Amino acid sequence: LAKTTQPISMDSYEGQEVNITCSHNNIATNDYITWYQQFPSQGPRFIIQGYKTKVTNEVASLFIPADRKSSTLSLPRVSLSDTAVYYCLVGGHGGGSNYKLTFGKGTLLTVNP
Amino acid sequence: DTEVTQTPKHLVMGMTNKKSLKCEQHMGHRAMYWYKQKAKKPPELMFVYSYEKLSINESVPSRFSPECPNSSLLNLHLHALQPEDSALYLCASSPPGNRATEAFFGQGTRLTVV
Repeated sequence: LAKTTQPISMDSYEGQEVNITCSHNNIATNDYITWYQQFPSQGPRFIIQGYKTKVTNEVASLFIPADRKSSTLSLPRVSLSDTAVYYCLVGGHGGGSNYKLTFGKGTLLTVNP
Repeated sequence: DTEVTQTPKHLVMGMTNKKSLKCEQHMGHRAMYWYKQKAKKPPELMFVYSYEKLSINESVPSRFSPECPNSSLLNLHLHALQPEDSALYLCASSPPGNRATEAFFGQGTRLTVV
């Protein structure tokens, strides 16, 4: 399984765009890149997932370069309520051992007023 | 219904007790997971069930015993736990195929072993 590396923490201010980058140098061909958000004492929440190029939903955008060895989660115009830990996961699809969702250390994003 | 429901929300148990954590989902997901999370650490995978069969056991001590009675329910039976087993226990489920990594998590059971 591909290991992921993220910054331990990041600070931002309300209204700014925040980009969190994740490195996954040994990503496999059938691996997808998935991001989760977790607030204290709650379960993680799925944010976005992608395979290559760019994916956008109502919450975030995910940028994946052609070599797929890294990815960047972009949160537009953050608010105080976006303060949370963000996890990057890399894994395959199709069931079986691909259900092994393994969390790395995550990035604690703190949004300041 | 896009929820994973875990009960109880809080549990205090002695080291000689036997208790069970319960997890339920009605999204038709065929993969279900148990995770353990200590304070300020990422969730650690414990068990994965795929189509009601145990497919992954991450070398979890036998004092934790999972059970999947049907496609909607997942239990975690606890026996002779240690104080270091105190943690937030999270259940999750995910759909099959190309959305297998889009997991839904419950709010967790906060377990304290005394």
